[in-house]
Amino acid sequence: SQQGEEDPQALSIQEGENATMNCSYKTSINNLQWYRQNSGRGLVHLILIRSNEREKHSGRLRVTLDTSKKSSSLLITASRAADTASYFCATHNQAGTALIFGKGTTLSVSS
Amino acid sequence: GAVVSQHPSWVICKSGTSVKIECRSLDFQATTMFWYRQFPKQSLMLMATSNEGSKATYEQGVEKDKFLINHASLTLSTLTVTSAHPEDSSFYICSASDRVDEQFFGPGTRLTVL
Repeated sequence: SQQGEEDPQALSIQEGENATMNCSYKTSINNLQWYRQNSGRGLVHLILIRSNEREKHSGRLRVTLDTSKKSSSLLITASRAADTASYFCATHNQAGTALIFGKGTTLSVSS
Repeated sequence: GAVVSQHPSWVICKSGTSVKIECRSLDFQATTMFWYRQFPKQSLMLMATSNEGSKATYEQGVEKDKFLINHASLTLSTLTVTSAHPEDSSFYICSASDRVDEQFFGPGTRLTVL
């Protein structure tokens, strides 16, 4: 089963623009994580935000978390062609062990 | 950071044969390993959770007799796709964990069944 639902499913922007992806989840969480996946490759962990945090930054990444709305957003500022990838949010399953992934947003950044 | 490897990175096999995929934690002991499957343009779907020395816990809809998981040591888990068919063609990704809140992912194995 999937916990998170991202939108949009696909996003195309120009280099230099900002990209915002949203994720909604269903159950209560301890934390939420964002991952990137280049086509046909493994996952790269981007950032983890805990349930008691509202915003977190890492370089050009900014993540927000609204537990009242059960939603999170990932903002990539000043995007680059190398940011082209699929982005997934993930939360833990009810057992608190495995990560359950959302459907993902495919980002295309053109130069 | 912790490193997880998978072998092979890609494999092509004939329908009806079995394929074994290895997942290793290289620099830490993984008490728990997870196997995911990802079809093209889709998200990762959890297949099973395995703890060292015990039977794997499979997600609903995943056939345990078809996808055999062995977690014989704290650094190695294997997934064997038995009697593979074209519909089993997918990207299989493992992850390993030594504590809650932290999972390290392997690079994935692309399986193509002809």
